[in-house]
Amino acid sequence: GAVVSQHPSRVICKSGTSVKIECRSLDFQATTMFWYRQFPKQSLMLMATSNEGSKATYEQGVEKDKFLINHASLTLSTLTVTSAHPEDSSFYICSARSGTGDYEQYFGPGTRLTVT
Amino acid sequence: DAKTTQPTSMDCAEGRAANLPCNHSTISGNEYVYWYRQIHSQGPQYIIHGLKNNETNEMASLIITEDRKSSTLILPHATLRDTAVYYCIVSTGTASKLTFGTGTRLQVTL
Repeated sequence: GAVVSQHPSRVICKSGTSVKIECRSLDFQATTMFWYRQFPKQSLMLMATSNEGSKATYEQGVEKDKFLINHASLTLSTLTVTSAHPEDSSFYICSARSGTGDYEQYFGPGTRLTVT
Repeated sequence: DAKTTQPTSMDCAEGRAANLPCNHSTISGNEYVYWYRQIHSQGPQYIIHGLKNNETNEMASLIITEDRKSSTLILPHATLRDTAVYYCIVSTGTASKLTFGTGTRLQVTL
C-alpha cells in the first residue's frame, strides 16, 4: 500500500521559535496533501489542504501566517509552525492522495509537538 | 458533507466478530462511506469504503443498507490489535476533505 512518512516524529521546542514538519509520500505522487491537528482525547481536525504548486487552502479559524504550508513537489509538503506557543502543542498528522481516481487518503504516522 | 453518528464505545471478545454501526441519514447520492481507524498515537489507517454495494477486503466488510442511511463495519475475527478508534466518514468520491467525528472506541478483550 501507499506509504506516507513524517519527520520528525517528536519535537520539543521553546516558546517563540519555529518548527518545520515534513510530510513525504514515499511510493506515489501526491497531488493533494492535507494537514490535521489532534489534541489529546479529541478527534482530528483538518487545518489545511494543499495542492502541489499552489497555495494552501486553510480551514476557518486556522491562521495561515502562523501555520505555513508549502507543497513544492509531488512528494513533499511541509508545515511550519511559526512563533510557537504552548497552546500549539499537539499531534500533527498529514495525509496524501494521488489524485488519479484514488478515493483513499493515506495518513502519515504523525508528529508530536511540545512547546515549552 | 453529511454528518455521521456512531456509538461512543464498544467492547468485543477476541476472536468474535466486531460489528460497528454508523448512521448517516442525510447522505447524498454522490457521497461515499469511508471507514478509518486510529490506533493510539498513530495516524489513521484506511479500512474500506463503499457507495451502495456491500464491500469486502482483507481487513473488513462494509454493509450499507439499501436506503444508504446507515452502514455497519464488520471485523470478522477481532484481535487485540484491532483495539482502536473507528471513524465512519461520509464524503464525495474524490475524498477532497475528510471530516472526522468522534468515532467509536473499540476495545477488544481476551
